[in-house]
Amino acid sequence: DQQVKQNSPSLSVQEGRISILNCDYTNSMFDYFLWYKKYPAEGPTFLISISSIKDKNEDGRFTVFLNKSAKHLSLHIVPSQPGDSAVYFCAASDAGSGNTGKLIFGQGTTLQVKP
Amino acid sequence: NAGVTQTPKFQVLKTGQSMTLQCAQDMNHNSMYWYRQDPGMGLRLIYYSASEGTTDKGEVPNGYNVSRLNKREFSLRLESAAPSQTSVYFCASSSLTGGNTEAFFGQGTRLTVV
Repeated sequence: DQQVKQNSPSLSVQEGRISILNCDYTNSMFDYFLWYKKYPAEGPTFLISISSIKDKNEDGRFTVFLNKSAKHLSLHIVPSQPGDSAVYFCAASDAGSGNTGKLIFGQGTTLQVKP
Repeated sequence: NAGVTQTPKFQVLKTGQSMTLQCAQDMNHNSMYWYRQDPGMGLRLIYYSASEGTTDKGEVPNGYNVSRLNKREFSLRLESAAPSQTSVYFCASSSLTGGNTEAFFGQGTRLTVV
């Protein structure tokens, strides 16, 4: 049972345009959401996060939107750059249950930004 | 500041062999984790240690054991490797301060069991 789903395995956009990566979740107890970026042969690196008490968080070119009623979040990258080409993972945690820091990951979306 | 360091980076094992994956962090984090990444499956939690002296099972613990040697080090052991354990293994750590569950990851260990 996949609690966090990224239904688009891949996305291709032109440099300078907007990239929108989507993520859906099923567990209503999740209260903290994160996006990680991963280059080949490297570990995932933290990109941006959002608490369930917010509906938007922005950091430079990256913005994460959370729609709790739809159990959906999205990552917007504007403008997209070739260096953004990587695999993006959505992750969620239930900090309320002992705050163990356990993360549930989606399957990942491979973003390709074309020059 | 090295962050999270894993050794080895690559390993090939024969079915039935044993090995230990090493992980160390220098960020003074209380919590540490072992994940595996398989194609199309994202990262799945194998074991975690919320604090020094404690360990707990994650989503896919079968076939693995862990040891939290001290606050810095968290090792993952495969007692009898199986082809199904061919994967990329990531160690991570987190401070969990202020409810922030951001985790920092090592560079990974690519394990092949033949």
